Amino acid sequence: DTAVSQTPKYLVTQMGNDKSIKCEQNLGHDTMYWYKQDSKKFLKIMFSYNNKELIINETVPNRFSPKSPDKAHLNLHINSLELGDSAVYFCASSQDVRGNPEQFFGPGTRLTVL
Amino acid sequence: DQQVKQNSPSLSVQEGRISILNCDYTNSMFDYFLWYKKYPAEGPTFLISISSIKDKNEDGRFTVFLNKSAKHLSLHIVPSQPGDSAVYFCAARGIRLTFGEGTQLTVNP
Repeated sequence: DTAVSQTPKYLVTQMGNDKSIKCEQNLGHDTMYWYKQDSKKFLKIMFSYNNKELIINETVPNRFSPKSPDKAHLNLHINSLELGDSAVYFCASSQDVRGNPEQFFGPGTRLTVL
Repeated sequence: DQQVKQNSPSLSVQEGRISILNCDYTNSMFDYFLWYKKYPAEGPTFLISISSIKDKNEDGRFTVFLNKSAKHLSLHIVPSQPGDSAVYFCAARGIRLTFGEGTQLTVNP
């Protein structure tokens, strides 16, 4: 009965490859997020979707493309992977954008680009 | 520009004593402040939050204090337990949730 799940948990790949990370939440939340935690341990938001609609798009290279097929899923596709993309990526969800501020996080996906 | 800062990268406390984690912010438009706890190889888990119109919120061993004039919040854990050893992030909500850089708390038995 995991609330927010991500697959895979670990991803090791070569520079230049394309990869996807999947996220699903079973909380009935309207809003989902992708965060990146870099080597300095900062958690920074990348994207936010509300009811399948993109509402936040931080300064992220356009090699990163989120896709929300429905409210419960937010996937992250990354093209032409670079060394600097190595990080832990967290998916999160919340009830909505302006109500209860609590966000529920997935376990993270550790991406290593060689 | 870092709008949320946790100036102590680490804190070590004896079991049974109080742990005080601090956080400073710059944006007076934040409407909620939250504390998250993170164990290695897991996602952050929500601990406690406080609205900007309050100055204290308590939940069991955890109390968050907000000083708006100083733009400062703190998390008190009493009594501290070894299982509380983790990284603690403060976060503030404006248009988005902005996180501090985290404080590693170690509670020694």
